[in-house]
Amino acid sequence: DTAVSQTPKYLVTQMGNDKSIKCEQNLGHDTMYWYKQDSKKFLKIMFSYNNKELIINETVPNRFSPKSPDKAHLNLHINSLELGDSAVYFCASSQEGREETQYFGPGTRLLVL
Amino acid sequence: GESVGLHLPTLSVQEGDNSIINCAYSNSASDYFIWYKQESGKGPQFIIDIRSNMDKRQGQRVTVLLNKTVKHLSLQIAATQPGDSAVYFCAENRHTGKLIFGQGTTLQVKP
Repeated sequence: DTAVSQTPKYLVTQMGNDKSIKCEQNLGHDTMYWYKQDSKKFLKIMFSYNNKELIINETVPNRFSPKSPDKAHLNLHINSLELGDSAVYFCASSQEGREETQYFGPGTRLLVL
Repeated sequence: GESVGLHLPTLSVQEGDNSIINCAYSNSASDYFIWYKQESGKGPQFIIDIRSNMDKRQGQRVTVLLNKTVKHLSLQIAATQPGDSAVYFCAENRHTGKLIFGQGTTLQVKP
């Protein structure tokens, strides 16, 4: 039973395209996150949602739009993909008030050509 | 500013030896410090955390030490095993709802 799952695992696409990554958690957590990990393994938060409400919105281009249809799902839509968007994107979740203990998904490896 | 950094990008140890992974942080207002382990091809996994009012905490084969005077955090792994090979991240949480991760140290365990 996967606690935090992401689809797809790999995504290869052309510059300018629009793509979405989906995330689901079955842990009953209220808070979900999106992180970006670059080629040097640096991990940086992009967004967080608590009970479908946007809590954190770091300095991320407007081309990135998260959407939370319910508290178990947090999707990430990316418009007009650029070469610099190539990275591994991780979804994570945590109990409310327990941000230090986050459960990460397996990651989505995005390659923009 | 916000920064959490690790001293060495790579650490190589012999199986059975103890490993010490270090981390320096800059913000003295942090409440929590956390260590995560990321195995190849997987997402980070929580290992252990320590509150800012503590200086030591032990888990199973792991110990985290916090020295607030010099803003230094370390993770000690006893009797390192091949399964410990991974990238280790320190992170800090100031109850702003987000974790700030350091750069990561790759631990290589030699058989």
